[in-house]
Amino acid sequence: DAGVTQSPTHLIKTRGQHVTLRCSPISGHKSVSWYQQVLGQGPQFIFQYYEKEERGRGNFPDRFSARQFPNYSSELNVNALLLGDSALYLCASSLAGLQGTETQYFGPGTRLLVL
Amino acid sequence: KNEVEQSPQNLTAQEGEFITINCSYSVGISALHWLQQHPGGGIVSLFMLSSGKKKHGRLIATINIQEKHSSLHITASHPRDSAVYICAVRSPGNQFYFGTGTSLTVIP
Repeated sequence: DAGVTQSPTHLIKTRGQHVTLRCSPISGHKSVSWYQQVLGQGPQFIFQYYEKEERGRGNFPDRFSARQFPNYSSELNVNALLLGDSALYLCASSLAGLQGTETQYFGPGTRLLVL
Repeated sequence: KNEVEQSPQNLTAQEGEFITINCSYSVGISALHWLQQHPGGGIVSLFMLSSGKKKHGRLIATINIQEKHSSLHITASHPRDSAVYICAVRSPGNQFYFGTGTSLTVIP
């Protein structure tokens, strides 16, 4: 069984550009969450999507947006990139996730470097 | 002020030692997670707790809801246990808060 997959694995952008990161959950999982992990720090919660609807949002500016598709895959979009957006972006999936009491399965992450 | 505090930040142990990592949180939670992150970024979920204690192999996780505290114990530690261990909590409002992690190095 394939785990959570993310693409691309690495990405280099310049300030002001936009970026789209992609995540495919484990088959059968309907919830996808996105996290940002800056080097040396713990992850920060960005979004959770369930059944194509946003179910949770962390303290991130409106430059960050996401969506979930009918096949439960998800995209994270970041506009007007800043140097501080350089981080590892992690995606995690779970079966439902509404109660917050389900195990999350993490993907390998996308390393974004903004120059 | 972080919603989730972990201690210690760094920990070095000799192979075979018993290890304890602590996590305190300040928000109401629906569940607490212990995660393991290896160099390169890959994260593995070790435990999810809402009460009591769970054991998996040499790993034991406990939680005290009243005291808002959880511990992760590793018995008979091994060099392959070297990783960053992260405590994370999910609030009933569906916010997810992470600790900054405990970097564990187990020396042969």
